[in-house]
Amino acid sequence: ETGVTQTPRHLVMGMTNKKSLKCEQHLGHNAMYWYKQSAKKPLELMFVYSLEERVENNSVPSRFSPECPNSSHLFLHLHTLQPEDSALYLCASSRGLAGDAETQYFGPGTRLLVL
Amino acid sequence: AQSVTQPDIHITVSEGASLELRCNYSYGATPYLFWYVQSPGQGLQLLLKYFSGDTLVQGIKGFEAEFKRSQSSFNLRKPSVHWSDAAEYFCAVGTLSGTASKLTFGTGTRLQVTL
Repeated sequence: ETGVTQTPRHLVMGMTNKKSLKCEQHLGHNAMYWYKQSAKKPLELMFVYSLEERVENNSVPSRFSPECPNSSHLFLHLHTLQPEDSALYLCASSRGLAGDAETQYFGPGTRLLVL
Repeated sequence: AQSVTQPDIHITVSEGASLELRCNYSYGATPYLFWYVQSPGQGLQLLLKYFSGDTLVQGIKGFEAEFKRSQSSFNLRKPSVHWSDAAEYFCAVGTLSGTASKLTFGTGTRLQVTL
């Protein structure tokens, strides 16, 4: 596989469920990102990881819990979500360490529906 | 803080006609600017980017964009639109977040192409 992959592509969950989204990048990058894309709203940056350390958390509710075990994998653990959390969740990666604003490469996203 | 405005929510053009999508940004320093395209159910694909140098940048699929500092704009153009260009287009400004990058997106412009 090449580029950035995300699984699952679609997920339906109840408000009391616990699920996880997985992202994997095959580009040798050092930085990874989670974005939320809701209808009629700009893409919202949720979390930024650089060299497996979280460098940004944009006031995301604690029901979203990221994990970056290594530079190729990024997870988003979900628990007790609300219906308004239904959205497309996009993962991205970039080279990192450049000291410069770089190109981010996106995965296809996970479409999440919270019932 | 940086921001991006895409004033046109929805644009319809005929196949073969020229296209211009508007993007205005607000950022205190030299911006790093991007255009991404998103087809339905897909992630974001990079069309082109501006970091420095020539203010007219060429991208994939026959797209180009011109950086105009005096107008704080980075408009996307294509001389002849194809039906396959129907998608949503996002302009973004990039900044640094530690050693990673941070993208701030506009709300997007949905392009419809009529045959």
